[in-house]
Amino acid sequence: GAVVSQHPSWVICKSGTSVKIECRSLDFQATTMFWYRQFPKQSLMLMATSNEGSKATYEQGVEKDKFLINHASLTLSTLTVTSAHPEDSSFYICSARTSGRNEQYFGPGTRLTVT
Amino acid sequence: GENVEQHPSTLSVQEGDSAVIKCTYSDSASNYFPWYKQELGKRPQLIIDIRSNVGEKKDQRIAVTLNKTAKHFSLHITETQPEDSAVYFCAARGGGGADGLTFGKGTHLIIQP
Repeated sequence: GAVVSQHPSWVICKSGTSVKIECRSLDFQATTMFWYRQFPKQSLMLMATSNEGSKATYEQGVEKDKFLINHASLTLSTLTVTSAHPEDSSFYICSARTSGRNEQYFGPGTRLTVT
Repeated sequence: GENVEQHPSTLSVQEGDSAVIKCTYSDSASNYFPWYKQELGKRPQLIIDIRSNVGEKKDQRIAVTLNKTAKHFSLHITETQPEDSAVYFCAARGGGGADGLTFGKGTHLIIQP
């Protein structure tokens, strides 16, 4: 149980284009989903928290107009990186949590490379 | 906001020996402390967690201790095996309604055969 999937697993895009990443909870209802970014050999940094049906809460320093988050259902959240630049290249990982539980379960991550 | 410090950054132990990784946190209202294991290029896997109302928790070879007064918590792995080699992250969930996790910088655990 508690399986989280992400799609795509990797993507290469040109500078200035937008990329959408999907995060799905496969066998539970994710009332809250989180998006993290991880640079090579570094830790995970929380970007934003989203609750189903509500606007996402962004961490300080994360541009909400650049990283668009939608959590339209209890099993799906999307992160759209708009006008991507090479410095946005990173490993983006989502996690999901169900109401009343502490545990966060992570997706397999999406490696984004912006050329 | 919450700040989590993790030490050491690299830990090399002989197979069969114990490994201890330590973390400190800054937000006294933090109430949940998970530990994750991440292998290269893969997702973090939850290996054990502890809530603020508990001082110690054990699961087979893995244990976590929490000292709320000192604001530090530790991961203990006994009888280490080669498959324990990975990067381990501690994390804390802050109080005040914060829901996301703040991670430590990670410890690269190397098990020497």
